[in-house]
Amino acid sequence: ETGVTQSPTHLIKTRGQQVTLRCSSQSGHNTVSWYQQALGQGPQFIFQYYREEENGRGNFPPRFSGLQFPNYSSELNVNALELDDSALYLCASSLEVGIETQYFGPGTRLLVL
Amino acid sequence: GENVGLHLPTLSVQEGDNSIINCAYSNSASDYFIWYKQESGKGPQFIIDIRSNMDKRQGQRVTVLLNKTVKHLSLQIAATQPGDSAVYFCAETRANSGYALNFGKGTSLLVTP
Repeated sequence: ETGVTQSPTHLIKTRGQQVTLRCSSQSGHNTVSWYQQALGQGPQFIFQYYREEENGRGNFPPRFSGLQFPNYSSELNVNALELDDSALYLCASSLEVGIETQYFGPGTRLLVL
Repeated sequence: GENVGLHLPTLSVQEGDNSIINCAYSNSASDYFIWYKQESGKGPQFIIDIRSNMDKRQGQRVTVLLNKTVKHLSLQIAATQPGDSAVYFCAETRANSGYALNFGKGTSLLVTP
């Protein structure tokens, strides 16, 4: 176990709705990254948060947004859900930003109908 | 990720044999490479990493080899066990991407008795 937890484990939403996914980092880790993993694919980087600030963003539209809190836990928010947003959403924490091992949580499986 | 690819989508080996999973990358600026193992329904689990200033790194039953000349990475698993059955991803990262992980599609390893 990595010590990274995510909630909920599974979620079903309808197109157009909004969703919030949560991640609790491993103790002592101040950097959180979010990834989207479609079925049969490798994870795709969404964005990274370091000390409550967005530190980088992948090729995802603005309706994907995030937050990091003072205790370094994090949220991923997705507005105006589309069918293609159905995926496993993974968060990963690391000790610091930079060349550091990223430890993944179990993911949240989102299904958009 | 478009710059990271795996040579074979599936690999079947007999229990006790050695396994070799290959990965190619295209960006010469890549600083850091990581192998992850992902079992069904779980998040990626860190196996081993290697920095670009190294050619080889060994862990428990695993070895990663890095050939920067041909931009090739391999993961060797000694005495493969049924518990090694999973999807294996290589990922690369670099300073100019904010150290976001760039994953390939994955190789499915099946260990048969």
